[in-house]
Order: sequence, then C-alpha cells, then structure tokens
Amino acid sequence: GAGVSQTPSNKVTEKGKYVELRCDPISGHTALYWYRQSLGQGPEFLIYFQGTGAADDSGLPNDRFFAVRPEGSVSTLKIQRTERGDSAVYLCASSFFGTGSNQPQHFGDGTRLSIL
Amino acid sequence: QQQVKQSPQSLIVQKGGIPIINCAYENTAFDYFPWYQQFPGKGPALLIAIRPDVSEKKEGRFTISFNKSAKQFSLHIMDSQPGDSATYFCAASNSFGNEKLTFGTGTRLTIIP
Repeated sequence: GAGVSQTPSNKVTEKGKYVELRCDPISGHTALYWYRQSLGQGPEFLIYFQGTGAADDSGLPNDRFFAVRPEGSVSTLKIQRTERGDSAVYLCASSFFGTGSNQPQHFGDGTRLSIL
Repeated sequence: QQQVKQSPQSLIVQKGGIPIINCAYENTAFDYFPWYQQFPGKGPALLIAIRPDVSEKKEGRFTISFNKSAKQFSLHIMDSQPGDSATYFCAASNSFGNEKLTFGTGTRLTIIP
C-alpha cells in the first residue's frame, strides 16, 4: 500500500493477556517508530528502529513491552501481562533515513488497544 | 519532563479568521520542528515543517513562524475553513527528524461557519 498500515485497527483484551500489534511501513523506508497516544494527549515515543536494530528504545515504559523488526520491514510491538493502564492508541511511523536533510515521519492510523 | 509546551488547549475561530497556535521548547539541540494535523480516528498527518535556520515558512494556507532566541514557534492558518477543524500538534526532533519526535499536548481547533 501507499501508506503505513497497522493491524488490527482495534484490539480488546482482558487484563493479563498478551498482545501483538503489527506495523507495515511505507516501502523503502528504513526507519520505523512506535508511539503511544493516550486520550487527549500528544503521541509519546516508545522505540525507533533503523533497519533491523533498535536504535533507541528509551521510551519503552517497562520490560513488559518489546518490539522486533527481524527483516527490516514489518515490525511487531509485543505487550506481555497487559494492564488497564496500557489502554491507548499505538501509532507507527516510518521514514527514509538521510543525514543532513529533513526526513518526515509518516504515521499510520494506529491500533486502538483496550484492556478490560 | 515536558520538553515542548503547546497553547492554547482549544481554540474556536470563525470561518476566514486566522487561528494561531504557539509552541515553546527547552532543548536547544532540537533542529527540526514539524506540525501535524489529526482527525478523529486517524493518525497524525504532516502539515509543514521548519528548521531553525529560517524564521518563516509558508505552504499554501499554513505558515510557521520561528523565533530561535526565544525558543518558540507558531502555526498560522490563513483563510480558515470548517474542514480545518482538527487537533494540531507541534513537535520537535534532533538530527533533522532522523530521531524520535517530542510532541506538544495538542490544540483542538474548531472553525465555525
């Protein structure tokens, strides 16, 4: 597709369950970002991949959160032992990587995660 | 620590008016300042971005004004239309956007006919 694709668009699960959220970036984009957006707030950074490796995971709130990008394209955000406070919209963005020039991040429509 | 402060939280403007949204940042290492527009149920969409080596940038009806010494920047929307009603976020980043974006808290803009 032309844009960043995220699946599922909505996910409802019970407290304590494990969830996986998927992101398909724009073709050719080497950088991939995950953000979390709570109601009425701006997106907050979670983790950033450059290729297959996590270049910055400083935004992951705790060790229940983990993300992978094994082939440098699709990424999966994994949340173990979910808590009600994890409820939010999880956004994925992708961009080209290039030093010395602006590299705009393009966002998907997010996965709305609800923990009951 | 909130590194990008955005105001106002909400704004109502009559059609044709010029809404102005302001942001201030603390981190002097920031070198890329985009503005995003978000409609309900959608992801943020890039509107316009500026680097600190210029004081103003225009794209269509959208203008960013940038004051490096004051560490402030603002978005102006000319000839506003009801279709501009959305939430607007300022953001900032290092390395010309090649790193994480730090977002403001958002401004909910309503344009009334």
